[in-house]
Amino acid sequence: QVQLVQSGAEVKKPGASVKISCKASGYIFTNYWMHWVRQAPGQGLEWMGVINPSGDSTRYAQKLEGRLTMTRDTSTTTAYMELSSLRPEDTAVYYCVRDTSATYDGRPCWFLGLWGRGTLVIVSS
Amino acid sequence: SSELTQDPAVSVALGQTVRITCQGDSLRSSYASWYQQKPGQAPLLVIYGKNNRPSGIPDRISGSSSGNTASLTIAGAQAGDEADYYCFSRDSSGDRWVFGGGTQLTVL
Repeated sequence: QVQLVQSGAEVKKPGASVKISCKASGYIFTNYWMHWVRQAPGQGLEWMGVINPSGDSTRYAQKLEGRLTMTRDTSTTTAYMELSSLRPEDTAVYYCVRDTSATYDGRPCWFLGLWGRGTLVIVSS
Repeated sequence: SSELTQDPAVSVALGQTVRITCQGDSLRSSYASWYQQKPGQAPLLVIYGKNNRPSGIPDRISGSSSGNTASLTIAGAQAGDEADYYCFSRDSSGDRWVFGGGTQLTVL
């Protein structure tokens, strides 16, 4: 079964770090980039960053640069997202999402066809 | 702010057709993908590329693109189509990705 299974909910204090795991199964892990997306309560989807299949290249949203680290372990087919110096506004559901890209009429398209179920992170003192 | 701009809310009468748009400079050279999200659920891919639907998405949901605008059209809107809809593509720098702000669709 093709799926992404995320780790459980976390409650953290401001200033702490959180590391979420995303276990992939049912497909060739090293064939796909992995994005992380978050959604604060009542808000829209926010793209956080992406990691390439081998794990040696990442791109992060500018507002999260310096606090965000994405890694992946190909031996266990698991991706990780670590966010440090947590603030209350980091309270959100965090999703790992498998990327697929293709070109149509010479124009690229990136689409996110496989989502984890989300991990709730609450940052509160 | 988002580099992909969507109307915050749109409404449609039951059985009618509605178009949800997404504007951004990057859409002149790339296609958006579209996601439907219902309360308490993860987003679901509904349209990608020129007008491609994943398995299980009905053909009354379609996509199109013109200039800097991508559109999602839902024909014969049903109560089950009530959801938030998001577009997604690369940003104008070509270095990162971005979601539109989302459109809340209400079926009257």
